[in-house]
Amino acid sequence: EPEVTQTPSHQVTQMGQEVILRCVPISNHLYFYWYRQILGQKVEFLVSFYNNEISEKSEIFDDQFSVERPDGSNFTLKIRSTKLEDSAMYFCASSTGVYYEQYFGPGTRLTVT
Amino acid sequence: GQSLEQPSEVTAVEGAIVQINCTYQTSGFYGLSWYQQHDGGAPTFLSYNALDGLEETGRFSSFLSRSDSYGYLLLQELQMKDSASYFCAVDTGTASKLTFGTGTRLQVTL
Repeated sequence: EPEVTQTPSHQVTQMGQEVILRCVPISNHLYFYWYRQILGQKVEFLVSFYNNEISEKSEIFDDQFSVERPDGSNFTLKIRSTKLEDSAMYFCASSTGVYYEQYFGPGTRLTVT
Repeated sequence: GQSLEQPSEVTAVEGAIVQINCTYQTSGFYGLSWYQQHDGGAPTFLSYNALDGLEETGRFSSFLSRSDSYGYLLLQELQMKDSASYFCAVDTGTASKLTFGTGTRLQVTL
């Protein structure tokens, strides 16, 4: 069964450093998303992406965040200058846009020290 | 603002039936989803309601009342592997973002 993959599974970085989280969505999906989950809390929407542009973003997704689809398969989330409060699990998701189900990747645990 | 409220924890015994409620207050609404998340894992889709009424998928059923801004997930014949967190989530269209609820941690005991 096709699945969303994410790398790395765990990333440790120092405050102020840039990180890039990578995702490979399911190949025939057209809509891509990033969510984050702080430990023990609910999943929060960050950004959605369609047709090579951002379709919606949340208040969390400020100027420090950016997304890119550099080729036909990868979807990346960049955090320019990480803060302690960026420590969370980051999930990539994709959907066909026809059905309501979103498929989530296994997540990248980001730890900012 | 957007809010989806769920009970924080529910405990039930193996073989029993449990209902997890979700009340929502959102600026837009198209449908209500339910996702399961095991510790350290990713959310996985369980069920979806766009219309009022009950949707049944095996041991899991989900109910929606749009007029009451309320839904629930019903889990029957509970198994130990059902111990996980369950989240309701609202969308405003088939490809829109998901706004998740506060989550309910289900503990299934012997």
